[in-house]
Amino acid sequence: KNEVEQSPQNLTAQEGEFITINCSYSVGISALHWLQQHPGGGIVSLFMLSSGKKKHGRLIATINIQEKHSSLHITASHPRDSAVYICAVRSLTGTASKLTFGTGTRLQVTL
Amino acid sequence: GAVVSQHPSRVICKSGTSVKIECRSLDFQATTMFWYRQFPKQSLMLMATSNEGSKATYEQGVEKDKFLINHASLTLSTLTVTSAHPEDSSFYICSARDLAGGMQFFGPGTRLTVL
Repeated sequence: KNEVEQSPQNLTAQEGEFITINCSYSVGISALHWLQQHPGGGIVSLFMLSSGKKKHGRLIATINIQEKHSSLHITASHPRDSAVYICAVRSLTGTASKLTFGTGTRLQVTL
Repeated sequence: GAVVSQHPSRVICKSGTSVKIECRSLDFQATTMFWYRQFPKQSLMLMATSNEGSKATYEQGVEKDKFLINHASLTLSTLTVTSAHPEDSSFYICSARDLAGGMQFFGPGTRLTVL
């Protein structure tokens, strides 16, 4: 079992839909990151969370430390949101610098 | 927001040559930089962690003599793929963590093709 699990693996939505991507992890963490990778390959850091909720534009990220679960929500989705969304955690133990990545959720938003 | 640049973005080289990839944090200082490689449709694989002024820490299975990392300053790290072979063809991504908040920013990646 991977330390970081994401669901769904693939997601297709129509423009305007509300989207939720889930991330569950099995270790104690100091921080959780949500990343976006476009087809060209470049990665954008969307959020870093250690508790609660953060909002940036149409994106909302939440984390429940007790349940070891985080969600990324996209409101009023748009075709330009099509990308791979990756959850990554920094664990409390071991090499504190390292991120452990989920396998990503491939999102396709159609017109 | 913070920016990490990589150069070159794309390189094609002949087998046996060495390729240097630069990673710069443009508007912040990074004590720690990370080098990843990514195969198509797979997640990022950490190759090594480098701290400014000290030797890089390589992940298990990554040859340090083949992938030379230099972290000369708080804003620059380089990865040199020595004597590149076709199996080294991949997408290489660097990342830098800022001193202040621990946020990690990623470069745009370098696509290496070894013929």
